[in-house]
Amino acid sequence: DQQVKQNSPSLSVQEGRISILNCDYTNSMFDYFLWYKKYPAEGPTFLISISSIKDKNEDGRFTVFLNKSAKHLSLHIVPSQPGDSAVYFCAASDVTGKLIFGQGTTLQVKP
Amino acid sequence: DAGVTQSPTHLIKTRGQQVTLRCSPKSGHDTVSWYQQALGQGPQFIFQYYEEEERQRGNFPDRFSGHQFPNYSSELNVNALLLGDSALYLCASSLAVDRKETQYFGPGTRLLVL
Repeated sequence: DQQVKQNSPSLSVQEGRISILNCDYTNSMFDYFLWYKKYPAEGPTFLISISSIKDKNEDGRFTVFLNKSAKHLSLHIVPSQPGDSAVYFCAASDVTGKLIFGQGTTLQVKP
Repeated sequence: DAGVTQSPTHLIKTRGQQVTLRCSPKSGHDTVSWYQQALGQGPQFIFQYYEEEERQRGNFPDRFSGHQFPNYSSELNVNALLLGDSALYLCASSLAVDRKETQYFGPGTRLLVL
């Protein structure tokens, strides 16, 4: 039972353009959502989070949007840079605090 | 400010053996969570420790056990290793289990079971 899904295994964009990574969830008890970036041979690095009481959170080039009615969140990266090339995981948690991760989306930003 | 550290970085074991992985949380953090990441998958929650007790547990067999020490560091023990236990084991720390505090991850321990 995959409660958090990232349906696109990979995404390729041109440097300077927008990258949009998507994530869907099924558990309505999730109330906190996070995006992590992972390079090979490293642990996941926290990028940005959003509480279920908000629909948008912005931090520099990164913006996360939450659509609770659709149980969907997305991460926008503008402008995309080659250093953004990595695997991106979305994660969700409920009041217990444990994180449930999606399968990840590999982003490639081409110079 | 030291981040989350894990040891060892890599480990090779054979089936049936036992393994212990170690984690030191980020300075000021009191909660440690362990995750298993198989190749091509997202991290899967194993369990979480707070105040030296297991607070949450994921869908993992009893062969997986843990411990948290008074200084908040933690160990993950896996008994009777199976080939399927080969994975990246990640430790994450946070400030408090009952609040929406971001979990910060260590670099992981890569375990290979032959």
